[in-house]
Amino acid sequence: DTAVSQTPKYLVTQMGNDKSIKCEQNLGHDTMYWYKQDSKKFLKIMFSYNNKELIINETVPNRFSPKSPDKAHLNLHINSLELGDSAVYFCASSRASGIPTEQYFGPGTRLTVT
Amino acid sequence: GQNIDQPTEMTATEGAIVQINCTYQTSGFNGLFWYQQHAGEAPTFLSYNVLDGLEEKGRFSSFLSRSKGYSYLLLKELQMKDSASYLCAVTLGAGNNRKLIWGLGTSLAVNP
Repeated sequence: DTAVSQTPKYLVTQMGNDKSIKCEQNLGHDTMYWYKQDSKKFLKIMFSYNNKELIINETVPNRFSPKSPDKAHLNLHINSLELGDSAVYFCASSRASGIPTEQYFGPGTRLTVT
Repeated sequence: GQNIDQPTEMTATEGAIVQINCTYQTSGFNGLFWYQQHAGEAPTFLSYNVLDGLEEKGRFSSFLSRSKGYSYLLLKELQMKDSASYLCAVTLGAGNNRKLIWGLGTSLAVNP
């Protein structure tokens, strides 16, 4: 069974389009995250949700809108895509408390904007 | 600001031991993680340190000195499959506001 899954795995689209990435976890975790990993391999937190509530919103353009319909799902919608949005987007989940609270990552979505 | 430093690249030989260092300067500290990331794949959890000292898990060990802002990951009996990027990440905040600040990773190449 896949713990954290994302769809699609690859996404190629043109500038100006709107696209969504879906994420689901079956680990029973309360907290979910979206990360962006750029070409230099830098992994940067974008958002985190706890029990469907937005907790962390880093300085991300408001073209990016996360939505959590329930605590097992966290989707990412991106409006008006730009060239600089090209990256790998990882979804992750973790328990809300305990030690350690390691994060489990999905396989990633490689977004290419042309 | 938050700063995490790791060497960019390292090379080692199969069967050998390698130590990957990580230094951090962050506003707050609630633990340090090491993750492994193979090319084209997701990061996977390796180890966690919150108190000073050494944590051992099989061939992998991780050490932490909070007073020095320093950690290392020790890999023993290196295997070809250990060729990957190793990411150091520091936990800031607590509870629901907890988040990870990531280093750029150390790309390790294991040669036969």
